[in-house]
Amino acid sequence: EPEVTQTPSHQVTQMGQEVILRCVPISNHLYFYWYRQILGQKVEFLVSFYNNEISEKSEIFDDQFSVERPDGSNFTLKIRSTKLEDSAMYFCASCRAKHYGYTFGSGTRLTVV
Amino acid sequence: GENVEQHPSTLSVQEGDSAVIKCTYSDSASNYFPWYKQELGKRPQLIIDIRSNVGEKKDQRIAVTLNKTAKHFSLHITETQPEDSAVYFCAAAPYSGGGADGLTFGKGTHLIIQP
Repeated sequence: EPEVTQTPSHQVTQMGQEVILRCVPISNHLYFYWYRQILGQKVEFLVSFYNNEISEKSEIFDDQFSVERPDGSNFTLKIRSTKLEDSAMYFCASCRAKHYGYTFGSGTRLTVV
Repeated sequence: GENVEQHPSTLSVQEGDSAVIKCTYSDSASNYFPWYKQELGKRPQLIIDIRSNVGEKKDQRIAVTLNKTAKHFSLHITETQPEDSAVYFCAAAPYSGGGADGLTFGKGTHLIIQP
């Protein structure tokens, strides 16, 4: 069964550093998302991406965050200057049509120290 | 924006009994309602979803019901088994327009199946 792949599985970074989280969505999927989950809490929507542009973003997705789909396969989330409260599990998701085949990646655990 | 409330936060049932988890939502534009199962340290996995043009959907031991007038939807698991133990999340999203709308999740229900 096709999977959404995320790398790295765990990243530790110092406060103020930039991080890039990488995702490879399922190849024929057209809609892409980033979510985060602080330990023990609910999953929170960050941003969605369709037709090579941001479709929707939440209040969490401020100027410190950006997304790119540089080469037609990778989908990246960049956090420009990490804060302690950015520590969370970050999930990428994709679907082939709107809300069909919605699949989450295995996540990247980001720890900011 | 959308707000999804989920109850209970913890549910303990005897193996073989049924479990019911309930969610309410606030945005009448929402018309896609998935349920996810998340085991410790793993990704959320879609177990069933429902769209607003139907009131009920069933897949083996799992069913979801939707009441659009009251803005609530529920997950029903029958004949529970130990492997059903996990955190379950409900979510809601609008299903309109051409863009990619994100899911708004509830806070989750920790389902414990007692042997």
